[in-house]
Amino acid sequence: EAQLEESGGGLVQPGRSLRLSCTASGFTFGDYAMSWVRQAPGKGLEWVGFIRSKGHAGTIEYAASVKGRFTISRDDSNSIAYLQMNSLKSEDTAVYYCTRDRREYDVLTGYYMVYLDYWGQGTLVTVSS
Amino acid sequence: EIVLTQSPGTLSLSPGERATLSCRASQSVGSTYLAWYQQKPGQAPRLLIYGASRRATGIPDRFSGSGSGTEFTLTISRLEPEDVAVYYCQHYGSSSFTFGQGTKLQIK
Repeated sequence: EAQLEESGGGLVQPGRSLRLSCTASGFTFGDYAMSWVRQAPGKGLEWVGFIRSKGHAGTIEYAASVKGRFTISRDDSNSIAYLQMNSLKSEDTAVYYCTRDRREYDVLTGYYMVYLDYWGQGTLVTVSS
Repeated sequence: EIVLTQSPGTLSLSPGERATLSCRASQSVGSTYLAWYQQKPGQAPRLLIYGASRRATGIPDRFSGSGSGTEFTLTISRLEPEDVAVYYCQHYGSSSFTFGQGTKLQIK
């Protein structure tokens, strides 16, 4: 079964940087897009961004709230996705989850179904002085 | 940008009762891009339903999804104590994911 494990969270001062890692196992990592989703304390889920598989050009999309500050990358040889977070703000304080993006063709409709089928346990990032 | 509005904010029901959770999209969306997740206290979210009505692997048949256009529903037919959680709907479109604000389900 697919498993995802995030690491790298912690306490960081505003304006500083932090890099999160997501180590995958149990599936062919390079075949899947990977997303990052965050959850501020006591709040709902917010999508941060995703990186497509190399088979889909490995292109990256970001939420407007992090674009220009956060960078997603991947190392398919080691089955790791990264989230580089720069210029951190207090509002970036959250649990950060990595997820596997599933894109499955639906023969009944002729469209793709897109959803997040596996989630890691999350890593807490606290931005505070 | 699609906005997903979930209702009610909180739902309190007794074991064995039927729960109906609503997710309304600000404009018509393709049902293949609509999913539901369950987040139990202190845990990561878990996929329940994808393609608006397909149950994910290992999800009991008490959980069902339906809907199209702008109105989607997650139904839990017979509530059990372990169903206490926050439930989120999610849409994929324009190369981004959007989540509803969640419905908190309490068991009396």
